[in-house]
Amino acid sequence: AQSVTQLDSQVPVFEEAPVELRCNYSSSVSVYLFWYVQYPNQGLQLLLKYLSGSTLVKGINGFEAEFNKSQTSFHLRKPSVHISDTAEYFCAVRPSGGYQKVTFGTGTKLQVIP
Amino acid sequence: SAVISQKPSRDICQRGTSLTIQCQVDSQVTMMFWYRQQPGQSLTLIATANQGSEATYESGFVIDKFPISRPNLTFSTLTVSNMSPEDSSIYLCSVEDPQGLSSYNEQFFGPGTRLTVL
Repeated sequence: AQSVTQLDSQVPVFEEAPVELRCNYSSSVSVYLFWYVQYPNQGLQLLLKYLSGSTLVKGINGFEAEFNKSQTSFHLRKPSVHISDTAEYFCAVRPSGGYQKVTFGTGTKLQVIP
Repeated sequence: SAVISQKPSRDICQRGTSLTIQCQVDSQVTMMFWYRQQPGQSLTLIATANQGSEATYESGFVIDKFPISRPNLTFSTLTVSNMSPEDSSIYLCSVEDPQGLSSYNEQFFGPGTRLTVL
């Protein structure tokens, strides 16, 4: 079974400051990793995904994440946040190969302060 | 990608009643999923719905409480039966690999149905 831990339930950050949202996972098999964003009153939208290859993954809206296998982490970063980045961010993991159930983390609420 | 719509977008219901949520996708998909997102919590998979077969329910969810229909490759419904306040949640429809392009499919989500049970 897989598990995902997002240690920070809320992260306040000033506008134009950098931000890192942490995600650690646990799995006995190789995995694919995802970050989703949920804006208020909306569904989830994929920010980026790691499948294989380069450990640095770039996504939409200027976000990027780095897969660290030894630390079993997949932290999300953005060098300069905007007010519009205020949302909830979910890390997710699924075993690689064929259909496998996706496991979501508990989410991190990013609050960008003007 | 896939465009997913859900109806209703929100509803307020009385205890003991039932609500059917519709999910419509703009392309044919094999696998559809229903999730629940309780206030302040993450997503919990209720069931997987494949066309032509009965839905597969996750632990803690039963067909009598959450019957699902999947009449074709673009549509599904989830019914929340005999509702109680504990069923107040966001219910999300999700699909995977709408064009069969990959085996490591990301999931696409509908906007959700916000249900409040009084």
